[in-house]
Amino acid sequence: GIQVEQSPPDLILQEGANSTLRCNFSDSVNNLQWFHQNPWGQLINLFYIPSGTKQNGRLSATTVATERYSLLYISSSQTTDSGVYFCAVVVRDSNYQLIWGAGTKLIIKP
Amino acid sequence: NAGVTQTPKFRILKIGQSMTLQCTQDMNHNYMYWYRQDPGMGLKLIYYSVGAGITDKGEVPNGYNVSRSTTEDFPLRLELAAPSQTSVYFCASSYRMTGGLNTEAFFGQGTRLTVV
Repeated sequence: GIQVEQSPPDLILQEGANSTLRCNFSDSVNNLQWFHQNPWGQLINLFYIPSGTKQNGRLSATTVATERYSLLYISSSQTTDSGVYFCAVVVRDSNYQLIWGAGTKLIIKP
Repeated sequence: NAGVTQTPKFRILKIGQSMTLQCTQDMNHNYMYWYRQDPGMGLKLIYYSVGAGITDKGEVPNGYNVSRSTTEDFPLRLELAAPSQTSVYFCASSYRMTGGLNTEAFFGQGTRLTVV
C-alpha cells in the first residue's frame, strides 16, 4: 500500500522562528490534508490541499502531486503552535480512506 | 454549527466490560469513520461507513463492532474490553460528491478510553 513519510520526526525551535515540515507519499493520491494535534489531543484541520498552495495567516502549504510531496510552512512560530503535525492522504483504491503519516512533533520554546 | 460530536470524552472500563462510543454529525456527510490513536502514533482506521446501512472493516477491527442506521449516527461498540483497547478514539466524517472528489474529513474531539 501507499507509504506516507513525514520529516523531521521532531523539531524544537525558539519562538519567532520559521519552519518547514515535509510529507512524502509513494503513490498518486486524490487528496491531502494537514492536521495539527494540540497538546490536549484535539485534531484541528489545517489545510485540505490536493495540489497547489494555500495560506492561512502564518501557515501555508504547498502540494506538488506530480512529485509526490507536500510542505507545511509555519512562520513566526508561537508557543501555541506546539503539538504534532500530521499529513494524511486519500487514495483512490482505498475507498477514500485517510492514510496517515507518523507526524512531526513540534516544540516551540518561549 | 456542531460538526462531529463524540461522547463521552473520557471513560475508564474494567476488563470484560462493554460500552458504546457515540458519534453524530450534522453535516449530512455520507462517509463516517472510527480511528484509534495509541500514544506517540498516528491514527489507525477501525471501521468505516459509506452510508446508512453500509459498514466495512478498516485496518484494526478486531474487538469492535459498528452500526449505521442513520446518516447522522455511527456508534462504536466494544463488547469485551481488553487493556489493548486503551487508546484515544476519534470519529470523523466526510462528504463524497458524485463525480467529484470532495473528501475533506472532519474530526470529533476524541474519547480517551482506559481499560484496567
